Amino acid sequence: DAGVIQSPRHEVTEMGQEVTLRCKPISGHNSLFWYRQTMMRGLELLIYFNNNVPIDDSGMPEDRFSAKMPNASFSTLKIQPSEPRDSAVYFCASSLARTIYEQYFGPGTRLTVT
Amino acid sequence: AQTVTQSQPEMSVQEAETVTLSCTYDTSENNYYLFWYKQPPSRQMILVIRQEAYKQQNATENRFSVNFQKAAKSFSLKISDSQLGDTAMYFCAFRIQGAQKLVFGQGTRLTINP
Repeated sequence: DAGVIQSPRHEVTEMGQEVTLRCKPISGHNSLFWYRQTMMRGLELLIYFNNNVPIDDSGMPEDRFSAKMPNASFSTLKIQPSEPRDSAVYFCASSLARTIYEQYFGPGTRLTVT
Repeated sequence: AQTVTQSQPEMSVQEAETVTLSCTYDTSENNYYLFWYKQPPSRQMILVIRQEAYKQQNATENRFSVNFQKAAKSFSLKISDSQLGDTAMYFCAFRIQGAQKLVFGQGTRLTINP
């Protein structure tokens, strides 16, 4: 299995621009998670989906952030407009829902907003 | 709310030594899961070991083992015969049974010196 795939691995953009991060979960997994990692706040769960449906988006920082999962094999996290404080590493993870199975993480996207 | 605390921001040991990373958590739940994740400089989050709270036997994976003390809400990770490749950030994480949200500690930066 290829594992969780994220793209791009690195993204540098200017403040005010739209940023779209992409994720392909492990085939057969029905839960998908978006995390943000910063030095100050550590790992934070932004949102997660079960069977393509958003279940908990309480971690999404503000309306500038949105996430979609149009099908079982693809999800996006969009920031519009981006701000320098959005600079972080964004991880996508997937798992089998309602089991003890652990979450498998992608390699992350390092976002820099200048 | 559940919280996870890792009281050692940084640790450093010599190669081949044994090192123990501490983790405590706070919850009123009785059924849950605990995990240790490793994040090397590549920033990939890798599952090291997991423990189900209903199991009294401590989990072991090769050189990695845990000391799970449910009453004390403690979940330490022991790395035996440490290797240079063990150099990484280590995160303790907690999840309630039936829920999917992982709560992470702030991490311990472990350096293995040659």
